[in-house]
Amino acid sequence: DTAVSQTPKYLVTQMGNDKSIKCEQNLGHDTMYWYKQDSKKFLKIMFSYNNKELIINETVPNRFSPKSPDKAHLNLHINSLELGDSAVYFCASSQVLGYTGELFFGEGSRLTVL
Amino acid sequence: QKEVEQDPGPLSVPEGAIVSLNCTYSNSAFQYFMWYRQYSRKGPELLMYTYSSGNKEDGRFTAQVDKSSKYISLFIRDSQPSDSATYLCALNTGGFKTIFGAGTRLFVKA
Repeated sequence: DTAVSQTPKYLVTQMGNDKSIKCEQNLGHDTMYWYKQDSKKFLKIMFSYNNKELIINETVPNRFSPKSPDKAHLNLHINSLELGDSAVYFCASSQVLGYTGELFFGEGSRLTVL
Repeated sequence: QKEVEQDPGPLSVPEGAIVSLNCTYSNSAFQYFMWYRQYSRKGPELLMYTYSSGNKEDGRFTAQVDKSSKYISLFIRDSQPSDSATYLCALNTGGFKTIFGAGTRLFVKA
């Protein structure tokens, strides 16, 4: 039973299109994140939600809009896709109570913009 | 200056070698120091976690933190081909934001 699951695993799309990635965690964690990993493997935080409330919003273009319908789900919608959006997007979750810094990651959603 | 610096490698070693991976950082507020391992086409997974300075050992893995030098290390003893992966250091001040290094690609040759 997968702890953090993301769909879809692969997306190939044209510039200018809109796409969404969904994430679900069954760990009972309070906090969820979106990270972006570029071709050089650099992993950078984009957003974080704690109990459905946005708490981290890094300098990400407003074409990216996260949504957390409940604390087990965090989705990412991207409008007007650009070539530079090509990357692997990872969803992660963490437990806040007794914080240890451990993040649990999904397997990633590989986005290719043509 | 980046908050966390990590040599991306690649680092290639023979099986059985001792591997040393390290990161330097600039923000003295970091208190939680972690190493994640990422296999190809997979998400990162936590390998080692250390709070504040000191050493921590887990099997073949040892994590070291030197806060005075702002330097963290991961040692792998008796390295195995199955250790071939990207190793990312990660740091946190105690809040929601974890900062990752660029990751070092490690290849262990049989």
